[in-house]
Amino acid sequence: AQSVTQLGSHVSVSEGALVLLRCNYSSSVPPYLFWYVQYPNQGLQLLLKYTSAATLVKGINGFEAEFKKSETSFHLTKPSAHMSDAAEYFCAVSAQRPGTALIFGKGTTLSVSS
Amino acid sequence: GAVVSQHPSRVICKSGTSVKIECRSLDFQATTMFWYRQFPKQSLMLMATSNEGSKATYEQGVEKDKFLINHASLTLSTLTVTSAHPEDSSFYICSASRATGDSPLHFGNGTRLTVT
Repeated sequence: AQSVTQLGSHVSVSEGALVLLRCNYSSSVPPYLFWYVQYPNQGLQLLLKYTSAATLVKGINGFEAEFKKSETSFHLTKPSAHMSDAAEYFCAVSAQRPGTALIFGKGTTLSVSS
Repeated sequence: GAVVSQHPSRVICKSGTSVKIECRSLDFQATTMFWYRQFPKQSLMLMATSNEGSKATYEQGVEKDKFLINHASLTLSTLTVTSAHPEDSSFYICSASRATGDSPLHFGNGTRLTVT
């Protein structure tokens, strides 16, 4: 069984500040891990994914995440927040097998103030 | 990159009617497609997994007779909400997976269903 816990349903930062969105996973098999962003009434856009290669994964829009097996974590970071980063962020886990479904966390709403 | 097209983006229907939502993979063959449901301010919940040419596998608690899934070709899966009720109002999102490799699932832009 797999699950994802996103700590903090809402995170607020100032423009230019560090963004840190937390994700812990539980998986009985080696996982793939993903971060997606969703804007209102839209689908999901993949930010980055961990697929057992490098533990530090760089994604789009300046985001990155580090897979830490010892902590079962996959936190998302960005050094400097931009107003356009305000959105809903989902962490997801799947088995390391092509064509398996993603299991999503409950999401974190990121607000960015000027 | 791979694109998944979902249609319609919005639909309003009357209670008791049926609504069909289409999910197409535009530039790859999707042997497996997934249907998710998202209530306002909540996460995506997996409803069912459909494999081309076979019956869909539904998650626990999802009524298979109410949410009919057809995956007749490698590029098209449809979700039909039968006898819709206001509680079925939600955001439905499909995703498609290539047959091989570690490619991530590709998501459609979702369908906002409102049942009046």
